[in-house]
Amino acid sequence: AAGVIQSPRHLIKEKRETATLKCYPIPRHDTVYWYQQGPGQDPQFLISFYEKMQSDKGSIPDRFSAQQFSDYHSELNMSSLELGDSALYFCASSLGEDQPQHFGDGTRLSIL
Amino acid sequence: QKEVEQNSGPLSVPEGAIASLNCTYSDRGSQSFFWYRQYSGKSPELIMFIYSNGDKEDGRFTAQLNKASQYVSLLIRDSQPSDSATYLCAVILTTSGTYKYIFGTGTRLKVLA
Repeated sequence: AAGVIQSPRHLIKEKRETATLKCYPIPRHDTVYWYQQGPGQDPQFLISFYEKMQSDKGSIPDRFSAQQFSDYHSELNMSSLELGDSALYFCASSLGEDQPQHFGDGTRLSIL
Repeated sequence: QKEVEQNSGPLSVPEGAIASLNCTYSDRGSQSFFWYRQYSGKSPELIMFIYSNGDKEDGRFTAQLNKASQYVSLLIRDSQPSDSATYLCAVILTTSGTYKYIFGTGTRLKVLA
């Protein structure tokens, strides 16, 4: 079965640079979620989209923005990167906001 | 009070034993409950979901839901060292027609060979 696809799998950036993470949900899934997970921490919810509209917002810094496109894929744009942004970034998708979330393999972002 | 609470552990059980993981939630109106398994450095994997009071079994896993007491548990029978991971409980809270998917902080399980 098709799963959630995230790209890139690994990304290395320097401070103050920008990064774009991409997420392709499971086919027919209309809801996308972004999470950030630091070492030894549980996933922290950043933002979610339902039918291409932002549906909920968590602890997403103002330096980050995201959107969901007409084909339901989503991109997380990160600017003015800081050392503390080094983490695993997960995308999850679901068939509606009241359905189970399925996670992608994540993007490991390292800031030098 | 946190919306979804789990004991962080670690919970250590010997190989072959039953591991019991518990989760409590604060919103009495919650309808949907999920268990995820996460290995270190990997993404959370959905292993069980339950919507109705009672037990739901899938292989070695049993999810138990008690809405009156506001807890959901996961039992792992015949625990194996490969079950060693962090188990995350998730609950969908509904407020004024909107849905919020809330994760607990996870319980780390160690199965000792």
